[in-house]
Amino acid sequence: GENVEQHPSTLSVQEGDSAVIKCTYSDSASNYFPWYKQELGKRPQLIIDIRSNVGEKKDQRIAVTLNKTAKHFSLHITETQPEDSAVYFCAASIKNKLIFGAGTRLAVHP
Amino acid sequence: AAGVIQSPRHLIKEKRETATLKCYPIPRHDTVYWYQQGPGQDPQFLISFYEKMQSDKGSIPDRFSAQQFSDYHSELNMSSLELGDSALYFCASSPPLGGGIYEQYFGPGTRLTVT
Repeated sequence: GENVEQHPSTLSVQEGDSAVIKCTYSDSASNYFPWYKQELGKRPQLIIDIRSNVGEKKDQRIAVTLNKTAKHFSLHITETQPEDSAVYFCAASIKNKLIFGAGTRLAVHP
Repeated sequence: AAGVIQSPRHLIKEKRETATLKCYPIPRHDTVYWYQQGPGQDPQFLISFYEKMQSDKGSIPDRFSAQQFSDYHSELNMSSLELGDSALYFCASSPPLGGGIYEQYFGPGTRLTVT
């Protein structure tokens, strides 16, 4: 069935380091891959997304890559800051619904 | 910019009671989604509506129903509440982008506690 796997489940980095979160999806029909940042008790916030006809997209310190053949996509955060600490969810669009990964809790230590 | 509005923000109900959650999408967004998020879990898709018609259905219990009205707002009705229904309920909306792309913007959520 439809499934998105996300790794790692927790990630701890020092301020200024890079962080990488990886996801794989199962449905080859998926064509849209958003990433959400969620702080405790708050709404998921769309931070970046990538469409199936693009291999890479960058927005300031955040970049996403997509390998459609391998059904992999990744989030890269450079020069991490304490305010980047949150839970990050990847998702894959199946028809008009999102299937989320289990989330990665990122902690950035000063 | 206008965001998705949800009401109420917090709701406390007893077992076997009913609850109604409301969602007002971003203006000109034509699709509304409902998600349930338990503590420490990812959002689980419940149901979606496009132009007031149900467009997709996920893991929504039979005790729950939802609809989208002519003004595009949506309501999630929950009956015979169980302790396990305690969760954050998010509504999201997406604009008409076409090409099978659905950028979803989430509301602030309704925290439902069933006692």
